[in-house]
Amino acid sequence: GEDVEQSLFLSVREGDSSVINCTYTDSSSTYLYWYKQEPGAGLQLLTYIFSNMDMKQDQRLTVLLNKKDKHLSLRIADTQTGDSAIYFCAARGGYQKVTFGTGTKLQVIP
Amino acid sequence: KAGVTQTPRYLIKTRGQQVTLSCSPISGHRSVSWYQQTPGQGLQFLFEYFSETQRNKGNFPGRFSGRQFSNSRSEMNVSTLELGDSALYLCASSSEVPPHEQYFGPGTRLTVT
Repeated sequence: GEDVEQSLFLSVREGDSSVINCTYTDSSSTYLYWYKQEPGAGLQLLTYIFSNMDMKQDQRLTVLLNKKDKHLSLRIADTQTGDSAIYFCAARGGYQKVTFGTGTKLQVIP
Repeated sequence: KAGVTQTPRYLIKTRGQQVTLSCSPISGHRSVSWYQQTPGQGLQFLFEYFSETQRNKGNFPGRFSGRQFSNSRSEMNVSTLELGDSALYLCASSSEVPPHEQYFGPGTRLTVT
């Protein structure tokens, strides 16, 4: 089955850019998503990208997809302390189940 | 539009008991998925229901079951609770329109003592 992997932790200074990386195994994954989870809360959808796209920009967020290497990244520009959270990438092929990564904890240092 | 709601938000049960959790999806969404989140195992998929039928299933024992009603509301049941069932249980709903993004509820925090 699908396997999605992320690094566990990332620390950046306020105002810098953050890049969170993710790899997945199933080349038939059609939709790739990024979610944010703050303490004690559910997951909040940040953005998504179709597998036929290379890049998607949404305000401070940029998603890059390298389909050949099955590598997905989320760049957060001008990172703020309010961006501190756990970020999950997820992959889905059609109506198959969504597979989530382990989550990357982003710590923003003031 | 109202978001995904889950009840109850917190629950304390004793080992051996059973529990039922409820999820109301976003209006118009017919797909409901359930996840278990623990510090050690991360986010684990339990099952997905669409139009009252289980469409996908994760690798959990038969003690974990679910159902969906005609109004798309869903319930999950855990029988014979074990200490290891302590977790945050998250429900998510999605539409059938691509990209089928999921919207999550706040979760039910289950503690088994």
